[in-house]
Amino acid sequence: AIQMTQSPSSLSASVGDRVTITCRASQNIRDDLGWYQQKPGKAPKLLIFATSSLRSGVPSRFSGSGSGTDFTLTISSLQPEDFATYYCLQDYNYPRTFGPGTKVEI
Amino acid sequence: EVQLLESGGGLVQPGGSLRLSCTASGFTFSDYAMSWVRQAPGKGLEWVSGVSGSGDTTYYADSVKGRFTISRDNSKNVLYLQMSSLRAEDSGMYYCASPRAYTSSSGGYWGQGILVTVSS
Repeated sequence: AIQMTQSPSSLSASVGDRVTITCRASQNIRDDLGWYQQKPGKAPKLLIFATSSLRSGVPSRFSGSGSGTDFTLTISSLQPEDFATYYCLQDYNYPRTFGPGTKVEI
Repeated sequence: EVQLLESGGGLVQPGGSLRLSCTASGFTFSDYAMSWVRQAPGKGLEWVSGVSGSGDTTYYADSVKGRFTISRDNSKNVLYLQMSSLRAEDSGMYYCASPRAYTSSSGGYWGQGILVTVSS
């Protein structure tokens, strides 16, 4: 199975900060990667699919980049509603695998 | 509006069985591969099982292979997860999902989750 790692595991930031989260795959997954946001007690919400495509309704301050094994989620100007845990998911093959998550805290 | 509604969760003893259901609406169910994803309390997301749109092909995480069975009924728009030989470590919130997006407005669907507790 493809292993996914994320860094950092947590970070502290302020409103207005630029935040970058990294996800790394154990093998080439082309651009078959999505990013999810999860808030406590809620289901995950898709933000980015196919590495860099923005899901409809997601603010443009979220962006994704990368290919192959190294990927990045960037929040250009952190807003109060963005404090949450972020996960990457490879959908290159089965079994699907999530990264361990990055908690973004105030 | 897309909806995925899970049911069938609850408390079960170790070694017992449970069947989860997920009723889909608002999209062409048979066009989408579906998955079950779980989350233990305070832990990260774990992909559990997936099934193709036709139901012909199924996939499992090693942690549940041989104990869980995924299936779907496209005539009823329902996804199932039959869980047997349950262990304490199977406890958590189970989400029905079509996590992969195909366009900016299709795919990436998740239910609200259903709680499974394995305990004596």
